[in-house]
Amino acid sequence: AQSVTQPDIHITVSEGASLELRCNYSYGATPYLFWYVQSPGQGLQLLLKYFSGDTLVQGIKGFEAEFKRSQSSFNLRKPSVHWSDAAEYFCAVGSNYQLIWGAGTKLIIKP
Amino acid sequence: EPEVTQTPSHQVTQMGQEVILRCVPISNHLYFYWYRQILGQKVEFLVSFYNNEISEKSEIFDDQFSVERPDGSNFTLKIRSTKLEDSAMYFCASSTESYEQYFGPGTRLTVT
Repeated sequence: AQSVTQPDIHITVSEGASLELRCNYSYGATPYLFWYVQSPGQGLQLLLKYFSGDTLVQGIKGFEAEFKRSQSSFNLRKPSVHWSDAAEYFCAVGSNYQLIWGAGTKLIIKP
Repeated sequence: EPEVTQTPSHQVTQMGQEVILRCVPISNHLYFYWYRQILGQKVEFLVSFYNNEISEKSEIFDDQFSVERPDGSNFTLKIRSTKLEDSAMYFCASSTESYEQYFGPGTRLTVT
């Protein structure tokens, strides 16, 4: 069965520090992979997506993610976080035109 | 930039009542979806809709749920007889043929 695992429920980083949020997936075929961000009380905004091709994808707000087939991973990175990045981040895999979601990682920014 | 809109932003209803959540997808999109997120939990797929019929639905989407595209712009989710456990944020999304789904801001449903 398809599934998405985000092993970190919370991550705390200092403003200006680098960030990596982990995502592992289980899927039988070539996956379509997504990262969404949800700010408090807000909807879900697409940060970036991977369908095929270059395994390093660039997204909005300075985020990038790398697809590693051998590790079944699609980790999200940002070289320097800003206080406005504090939010919950969701990894998702596309399957039969539905999205299967991870449990989310809450990012906390220390000043 | 076109966006998905949802109304109302917050709906409070009593257990056993019917509710209709409304969505206006992006105008040239062909696929429509409903998801829900119970407070503190992960987002869960409910249903996808294409060409005026349900294309996929989850186990959550039982007989008390229904969807409809009553005209060329609206996409609705009806819950026939609400239960306490239906309290959640409900998100509508739409897409073209790709998997890239655009989400609305959500409707918070509170069942008392």
